Amino acid sequence: EVQLLESGGGLVQPGGSLRLSCAASGFTFSNYAMSWVRQAPGKGLDWVSYIRDSGAGTYYTDSVKGRFTISRDNSRNTVYLQMNSLRAEDTAVYYCAKVYGGNYWFFDLWGRGTLVTVSS
Amino acid sequence: DIQMTQSPSSLSASVGDRVTVTCRASQGISNFLAWYQQKPGKVPKLLIYAASTLQSGVPSRFSGSGSGTDFTLTISSLQPEDVATYYCQKYNTVPWTFGQGTKVEI
Repeated sequence: EVQLLESGGGLVQPGGSLRLSCAASGFTFSNYAMSWVRQAPGKGLDWVSYIRDSGAGTYYTDSVKGRFTISRDNSRNTVYLQMNSLRAEDTAVYYCAKVYGGNYWFFDLWGRGTLVTVSS
Repeated sequence: DIQMTQSPSSLSASVGDRVTVTCRASQGISNFLAWYQQKPGKVPKLLIYAASTLQSGVPSRFSGSGSGTDFTLTISSLQPEDVATYYCQKYNTVPWTFGQGTKVEI
């Protein structure tokens, strides 16, 4: 079955850190770029970060630059999001998403998401 | 950055109605536009990409059109299972921005 499964969310204090993981299965993970997209409670979708299939190229939305780091381990079919210096406004469900491919940077497979709550 | 604006923010229609959702880009994006459906409590699902190409398995009552700055998602005959929030997303350049969403109710 083709799927993405996120883990690592939880409650963290402002200024703290978390590392999210997303395990892929059912497709050739190393052939596809991956992204993280978040959704604050009751709000819309917000693209966060992207990593190329090889891991050689990454992009971030401005609000997380310098605080978040995306990485991947193609031998483990897993993509990660290291989140440091967390703020209350980072509270959201974080979805891992597979990028369609080629020059088509939209998302054709989504995980179920993991909730990150930043609060004291 | 290019901004994506959807209208309306919400709508209510009857079963069988034709429903139209609009997405406008603040600059031209050619046809680099996707539409997603997110049912209540569920994960987003890709409906349409390249402005008008239906993703495999998506019912044919969904269609998309447009190019440049103005785009439309149409549901030709609204069904109860179409109750959801619909998002557009531009993907021509980073950042890959979503519209704010349109909630469709019956």
